[in-house]
Amino acid sequence: NAGVTQTPKFQVLKTGQSMTLQCAQDMNHNSMYWYRQDPGMGLRLIYYSASEGTTDKGEVPNGYNVSRLNKREFSLRLESAAPSQTSVYFCASRSVSSYNEQFFGPGTRLTVL
Amino acid sequence: AQKITQTQPGMFVQEKEAVTLDCTYDTSDPSYGLFWYKQPSSGEMIFLIYQGSYDQQNATEGRYSLNFQKARKSANLVISASQLGDSAMYFCAMRSLNTGTASKLTFGTGTRLQVTL
Repeated sequence: NAGVTQTPKFQVLKTGQSMTLQCAQDMNHNSMYWYRQDPGMGLRLIYYSASEGTTDKGEVPNGYNVSRLNKREFSLRLESAAPSQTSVYFCASRSVSSYNEQFFGPGTRLTVL
Repeated sequence: AQKITQTQPGMFVQEKEAVTLDCTYDTSDPSYGLFWYKQPSSGEMIFLIYQGSYDQQNATEGRYSLNFQKARKSANLVISASQLGDSAMYFCAMRSLNTGTASKLTFGTGTRLQVTL
């Protein structure tokens, strides 16, 4: 099991460019999540997908879109990147164990110039 | 709305000593879960321990234990016998156990723990 994988690991964009962050999990989890982590602010939820075919906004969705391509894959798209979107992005999926803990990918460090 | 507060931006502890990382929370949900995650310098998020709001006993996982005081709305993480490898950022998080909330996590701002010789 690879767990949760994310690509790319690092990315530098210019203001106004677009890009898609990819996320995949091989644990057959139904729910998947995208977070951003900024210094001093912990992790904040951008979007989530409770199950295949559904997506919902989290705490900070502005400037982002998501696609739940299938049960395994959940992508995050920045249509027109802004410096305020410089952050580390984490994808996660939720376990079906009694704790329902979330498993996280390794993160993508994005810099927008 | 849920809120997690971690008031200790940084902590130091000597190797082999115990350390307590503070976490207080606020929620109107009667049923919720509390989590602690570890983030080493390599960046990954590692699940450590879970406490349900209706659990009668405090959770323990190896050297980690959770000091859960429901009336005070606190869920402090206790690490016993600290090791150099415990140096990391630690996040407290919570989620509602109500159906329809999709188990969204709310995180605190974290505490950076440094274990010294």
